[in-house]
Amino acid sequence: GAGVSQTPSNKVTEKGKYVELRCDPISGHTALYWYRQSLGQGPEFLIYFQGTGAADDSGLPNDRFFAVRPEGSVSTLKIQRTERGDSAVYLCASSLSSYNSPLHFGNGTRLTVT
Amino acid sequence: AQKVTQAQTEISVVEKEDVTLDCVYETRDTTYYLFWYKQPPSGELVFLIRRNSFDEQNEISGRYSWNFQKSTSSFNFTITASQVVDSAVYFCALRLQGGSEKLVFGKGTKLTVNP
Repeated sequence: GAGVSQTPSNKVTEKGKYVELRCDPISGHTALYWYRQSLGQGPEFLIYFQGTGAADDSGLPNDRFFAVRPEGSVSTLKIQRTERGDSAVYLCASSLSSYNSPLHFGNGTRLTVT
Repeated sequence: AQKVTQAQTEISVVEKEDVTLDCVYETRDTTYYLFWYKQPPSGELVFLIRRNSFDEQNEISGRYSWNFQKSTSSFNFTITASQVVDSAVYFCALRLQGGSEKLVFGKGTKLTVNP
């Protein structure tokens, strides 16, 4: 079946602009995660959704970052007033509801802020 | 707080050599899961294995094997007879039961297998 789909695959934006990154999880997966991966680093947790609600947003670096999942499926990560330090690969993952289920990752969106 | 340490930043081997990737984790919880993921140059993280904290049996899958030792908080990964296609960054990760169930990743080990 289809895996986790992320769009766009690449996004270049100017400092100060607003961007939206989209994630379409595997059908039937109730848990959805956003991670950020900088060059040479492991993925860093941003936010976790269980269904429509954000169950843990402790990884969001500041209030410029926000994510939604209004119908419990597709999620959008929104970044306001982008800064050059926001440049990274943003990864989305989904899993079945249980904690022993592996996360299935998408290919990520490479965000470059110029 | 939980933490995963992968002390080896980069490893380079010649094809057919065996190689072990180290992973040490920290947590005060007694119930948790450990994972290994592979990230090839294409970028997608690929799930390799999951192991729960109550199962210390080693596991073998083809050329891959994993050694879980709670006494040393380690979950090491060995590739036997390495191949060029094994070249990738490998991540070890820890997931606790309860809470956000998020995965905490190590910084990864970049493995290069030369022909």
